[in-house]
Amino acid sequence: KNEVEQSPQNLTAQEGEFITINCSYSVGISALHWLQQHPGGGIVSLFMLSSGKKKHGRLIATINIQEKHSSLHITASHPRDSAVYICAVGIYTGTASKLTFGTGTRLQVTL
Amino acid sequence: DTGVSQDPRHKITKRGQNVTFRCDPISEHNRLYWYRQTLGQGPEFLTYFQNEAQLEKSRLLSDRFSAERPKGSFSTLEIQRTEQGDSAMYLCASSRFGDSQETQYFGPGTRLLVL
Repeated sequence: KNEVEQSPQNLTAQEGEFITINCSYSVGISALHWLQQHPGGGIVSLFMLSSGKKKHGRLIATINIQEKHSSLHITASHPRDSAVYICAVGIYTGTASKLTFGTGTRLQVTL
Repeated sequence: DTGVSQDPRHKITKRGQNVTFRCDPISEHNRLYWYRQTLGQGPEFLTYFQNEAQLEKSRLLSDRFSAERPKGSFSTLEIQRTEQGDSAMYLCASSRFGDSQETQYFGPGTRLLVL
């Protein structure tokens, strides 16, 4: 079983829809990251959170430490949001916070 | 500062050849990470440096792989005697240890294809 599980694996939405991507993890973590990867490979860090909720523009990320679960929400989705969204957990090893990644959720937003 | 850069962006090589990739981190960042991402998968940790010291290596990093960060700034990742299974995106990230929240900033990646 992977330490980080994401759902769904693929998601198609129409412009304007509210989108939720889920992430569950099975280990103790120091922080959870949401990343965005566009075709071509570049990765952008969207959020890093260890508790509660963060908001940036149309993106909202929440985490429930007790339930080992996080969600990424996109409000009023737009075709430019089409990308792969990756959840990664930071596991502090005593020397560094090493990231373990989920396999990603491929989002396609259509007009 | 323009962020983390990687060179080359793409590399096609024949099986058995050696390849070397370079990563230039954000200048004040003392930590540098290498990850590998195969098609349809999330990235996997390979190794990381704090300054010039390589502090951890994944079991994924076989003897054919070697990474260096000689002056604590840029890093190189070399793959010797490449195999088709080495085809992947190689990602570099940097961070500043000591920040209350250690955000890793990713480079654009080097996509390797071994024929």
